[in-house]
Amino acid sequence: DIQMTQSPSALSASVGDRVTISCRASESIETWLAWYQQKPGIAPKLLIQKASSLESGVPSRFSGSGSGTEFTLTINNLQPDDFATYYCQQYSRHSYSFGQGTKVEIK
Amino acid sequence: QVHLVQSGAEVKKPGSSVKVSCKASGGSFNSYAISWVRHVPGQGLQWMGGIIPIFETANYEEKFQGRVTITADESASTAYMELSDLRSEDTAVYYCATSSGYDWKMDYWGQGTLVTVSS
Repeated sequence: DIQMTQSPSALSASVGDRVTISCRASESIETWLAWYQQKPGIAPKLLIQKASSLESGVPSRFSGSGSGTEFTLTINNLQPDDFATYYCQQYSRHSYSFGQGTKVEIK
Repeated sequence: QVHLVQSGAEVKKPGSSVKVSCKASGGSFNSYAISWVRHVPGQGLQWMGGIIPIFETANYEEKFQGRVTITADESASTAYMELSDLRSEDTAVYYCATSSGYDWKMDYWGQGTLVTVSS
């Protein structure tokens, strides 16, 4: 099975900051990677698919990059609504594993 | 736009089973993958397994193999996840989710079902 490793597991940032979250796959997944945002008590929300394709309605301050085994989620100009936990997920092949999550907290 | 509605919260005894339903509306239920994901308190998301209704065959995360059964009723546009031999560590919120295409990303999510396992 493909293992997904995210870093950091948590970070503190201020409104207006730029935040970068990394996700590494244990083997190549090409660009079959999604990013999700989850807030407490609410189902996850798909932000980015195919490593860099922004979902409709997602603010342009979110961006994704990478291919193969190394991926990055970047949030520019962090807003109060962005404080949440972010997960990467590979959907290259079974089982469709998630990273362990990165909690973005207010500094 | 697909809308997924899950069944309500459950409280179960250790060793028992739970069956959670997920009813879809507004999309093509039969053709796209439906996944079940759980969120254990304080932990991350875990993919449990999934099914593409027209193919009928489910596949499962190895950790849950033998304890989880995922099925789909095309006529009712409803998917089911049954987890047996429940343990306290199975206490979690269980989500169904589906893709908008022929892949296993998760565009649309149910509201989640809290399953509490307690004696």
